Amino acid sequence: EVQLVESGGGLVQPGGSLRLSCAASGFTFSSYEMNWVRQAPGKGLEWVSYISSSGSTIYYADSVKGRFTISRDNAKNSLYLQMNSLRAEDTAVYYCARADCSSTSCPLDYWGQGTLVTVSS
Amino acid sequence: SYVLTQPPSVSVAPGQTARITCGGNNIGSKSVHWYQQKPGQAPVLVVYDDSDRPSGIPERFSGSNSGNTATLTISRVEAGDEADYYCQVWDSSSDHPDVVFGGGTKLTVL
Repeated sequence: EVQLVESGGGLVQPGGSLRLSCAASGFTFSSYEMNWVRQAPGKGLEWVSYISSSGSTIYYADSVKGRFTISRDNAKNSLYLQMNSLRAEDTAVYYCARADCSSTSCPLDYWGQGTLVTVSS
Repeated sequence: SYVLTQPPSVSVAPGQTARITCGGNNIGSKSVHWYQQKPGQAPVLVVYDDSDRPSGIPERFSGSNSGNTATLTISRVEAGDEADYYCQVWDSSSDHPDVVFGGGTKLTVL
């Protein structure tokens, strides 16, 4: 069974940093592209970042570029999101999501349950 | 950047058919995915590549995509289908690919 479990969320002050983790199991992690997607309270889904299966290709949404860093450790079956210079508008539930690129256009076929990040003084 | 437009809400009686649209410039040239999200839960993929269903998703869920509109159709709607639905594409019009979501549609089962 595919499982994605996020951790590392919490309350942080504006300008602070936080590192999210996503532990993957039930599939060959090193074969799949991964993403972070966030959802502000009461709002819709917003894509944050993408990383290829090897980690060699990375994309970011403009809203987080230069502040967030995505990475992965295939030996540990883990995905990470380092978040720096956090702002109030970064407050959201952060989901890790697997991309199934065996199909035409990489749907996000499995999602974790999310971890809440609150940026507030 | 590419914009996907969904109606904020759709209402339907049980047993009827719900249609949720997703508008975008020449969206018919892209592959569209649809996600269902119930309150307090993570999104679930219900349709991918315009009209394919992941295993475990009922045949009542179907999709189409042409021109400037993609549509998620839910036949014989049940109370358990009440949720938010999001369309999604990959957009490569900028200097790097982006994942783009629509704003979401709240499906209410009357």
